[in-house]
Amino acid sequence: QVQLQESGPGLVKPSQTLSLTCTVSGDSISSGDYYWNWIRRPPGKGLEWIGYVHFSGKTYYNPSLQGRALFSFDTSKNQFSLRLNPVSAADTAVYYCARGPDCSAGNCYDPFFDSWGQGTLVTVSS
Amino acid sequence: NVLTQSPGTLSLSPGERATLSCRASHSVFSNFLAWYQHRPGQSPRLLIQGASSRATGIPDRFSGGGSGTHFTLTISTLEPEDSALYYCQQYGSSPNTFGQGTKLEIK
Repeated sequence: QVQLQESGPGLVKPSQTLSLTCTVSGDSISSGDYYWNWIRRPPGKGLEWIGYVHFSGKTYYNPSLQGRALFSFDTSKNQFSLRLNPVSAADTAVYYCARGPDCSAGNCYDPFFDSWGQGTLVTVSS
Repeated sequence: NVLTQSPGTLSLSPGERATLSCRASHSVFSNFLAWYQHRPGQSPRLLIQGASSRATGIPDRFSGGGSGTHFTLTISTLEPEDSALYYCQQYGSSPNTFGQGTKLEIK
C-alpha cells in the first residue's frame, strides 16, 4: 500500500522560499505509471491543485501560481519536492502531496488522486 | 471549470441516506469527475472516479451518479464514521479543479 508523507518548515517569511518534500513508500516514483502532485488548501478555502512532476521529467504548473513553483525529484530517496518563491501570506495553507495515475491510458485528461499524504501546514509570516 | 457543491453542511442521523450535489460551470469532459472523503486528521481518500466507479476498497453504500454539469454522491445508509468533508473534483480539463466541499455531520 502506497504511503506519502510531507515534510518541511512550518513557518516561512514573506518573499522567501517555501520548500517541501514528499517521501513515498510502497511505490517507486520512477515506475512511470503515475504523476506526483502537490495540492494545497488555504484556511477557509477549497483545494487548489499546484501541479505535477512525472519521472519522464514532464511537469505541469497551475497558471494560478504565476511561475513561482518548481518541482523536482530524487529517485535515490524516492522523494519529490516543491519549491515556491517568492511567497506571501496568500500562500499560507495545508500542503498535500498526492499520487495520480498517468492519463495516457485515456482514463483521465488531468490527474485525479488515488493516494494522499496527511498534509503539512505552512504559515507565511514575518 | 468552477465546481459548486451543495449543501454546504448536511446534518443527518445514522441509517439515513445522504445526497451531495456538485454542479459544474461547464460540461465535464467524458464525465471525468471524482469524489473524495476527508476525515479530520486523516489523508483525503478517493471514493469515486469517472463519476460512478468506486475506488478500490470503497463500500457499495457509496455511489456516484450524474453527467455533464450535475453530479451526485449518495451514501445509502449513513454510519458514524461517514462524518467528514466531501469534495468533488473535475479532471476533464486543465487545470483540474475542486468544489469547496460539503461538511457531513452525523448526529
